[in-house]
Amino acid sequence: SAVISQKPSRDICQRGTSLTIQCQVDSQVTMMFWYRQQPGQSLTLIATANQGSEATYESGFVIDKFPISRPNLTFSTLTVSNMSPEDSSIYLCSVEVSTGLTYNEQFFGPGTRLTVL
Amino acid sequence: AQSVTQPDIHITVSEGASLELRCNYSYGATPYLFWYVQSPGQGLQLLLKYFSGDTLVQGIKGFEAEFKRSQSSFNLRKPSVHWSDAAEYFCAVGAIDYKLSFGAGTTVTVRA
Repeated sequence: SAVISQKPSRDICQRGTSLTIQCQVDSQVTMMFWYRQQPGQSLTLIATANQGSEATYESGFVIDKFPISRPNLTFSTLTVSNMSPEDSSIYLCSVEVSTGLTYNEQFFGPGTRLTVL
Repeated sequence: AQSVTQPDIHITVSEGASLELRCNYSYGATPYLFWYVQSPGQGLQLLLKYFSGDTLVQGIKGFEAEFKRSQSSFNLRKPSVHWSDAAEYFCAVGAIDYKLSFGAGTTVTVRA
């Protein structure tokens, strides 16, 4: 398994500003993922972050809006840039952990609850 | 591309009664299926998973799920619900690149 922490746990931000969310895991992992959960909705994958390479973004998400860093195997950041109220969501990071089975599991952090005014 | 449908948005069940949450998936290859639970203000916790083998899988907290390939379903069950089971439940299917696609979720309310 993996223990994942996120900072901040919640924040209230003003329109037009940026927020950087940190994700720390207690073991080295290859793949990290960032998800968005809009109010009352399911999770949507924003991007996949592998150490040593550029993040891969899903359709509808762009690097200019959601720049991601992955400086080592235990840490990643997601920045939400030039925020608008539509960016109010819970942002979750997850990590892929090998289970020795045919597929790996994903463990999720507690999330960062962002409100944009 | 894979997708997941959870037909029930909200289910209310009495404490001690049985619970079944429905999940249907669409995926062209062997599906890797998961159920997660999200309690209010919490992250996601993995309840159980199906990769291969026995189609009835046991998970944590007394949950089980049955994989039915012919129906493209992976329904979650619990024989006797506790008040602490009130939460949001998400079914997910994993692709070969480990990206997960989630259903819309089912909110479970437990009444005394």
